[in-house]
Amino acid sequence: GAVVSQHPSWVICKSGTSVKIECRSLDFQATTMFWYRQFPKQSLMLMATSNEGSKATYEQGVEKDKFLINHASLTLSTLTVTSAHPEDSSFYICSAPSLPPGQAYEQYFGPGTRLTVT
Amino acid sequence: AQSVTQPDIHITVSEGASLELRCNYSYGATPYLFWYVQSPGQGLQLLLKYFSGDTLVQGIKGFEAEFKRSQSSFNLRKPSVHWSDAAEYFCAVGDTGGFKTIFGAGTRLFVKA
Repeated sequence: GAVVSQHPSWVICKSGTSVKIECRSLDFQATTMFWYRQFPKQSLMLMATSNEGSKATYEQGVEKDKFLINHASLTLSTLTVTSAHPEDSSFYICSAPSLPPGQAYEQYFGPGTRLTVT
Repeated sequence: AQSVTQPDIHITVSEGASLELRCNYSYGATPYLFWYVQSPGQGLQLLLKYFSGDTLVQGIKGFEAEFKRSQSSFNLRKPSVHWSDAAEYFCAVGDTGGFKTIFGAGTRLFVKA
């Protein structure tokens, strides 16, 4: 099956700094990718849709200037958390849809990135 | 807009007993429906999916789910639960056009010996 990777798998940064998280589709192209945030013992909340070659689409309540998304190529999307604060500490998960011919799409998820802001 | 409701925050079942996790969705057309499982600190694993055809869907690890349009439900079942099934289970609905997937709040499954 299709594979989506994320890097890093975990990161610790100081308050006020920025951190970049990469999401890659390893064996398929993805013009669209999605970024989710998951707080402990909670569900995945969709943050934004990353679109290759155009601006990301953010869900209501998500600060686009704080969570910068760049879809640099058909296999790479990056999420940069700018001026991070402790409340940004969370598990960030990306996904990319793959559409097998004649079938429904399937969303492939990365393993997640654990961000801790101190 | 699509949405998913999982009414049970947590469920406890005895090992070997049957399991049913409830899921209700809201979507304007025929939805794509998914069940995922997540173990603590781990990523998501797809258990099964539905998009058309037979309303009873078989998945991995002995799970199945039944799509009931009249009830807007997609409940997950397993006839005999194993201790290793203890995890968080998420029902999700997918946008057939834009691939956006929205998750329910999740149901935490506890398995007692």
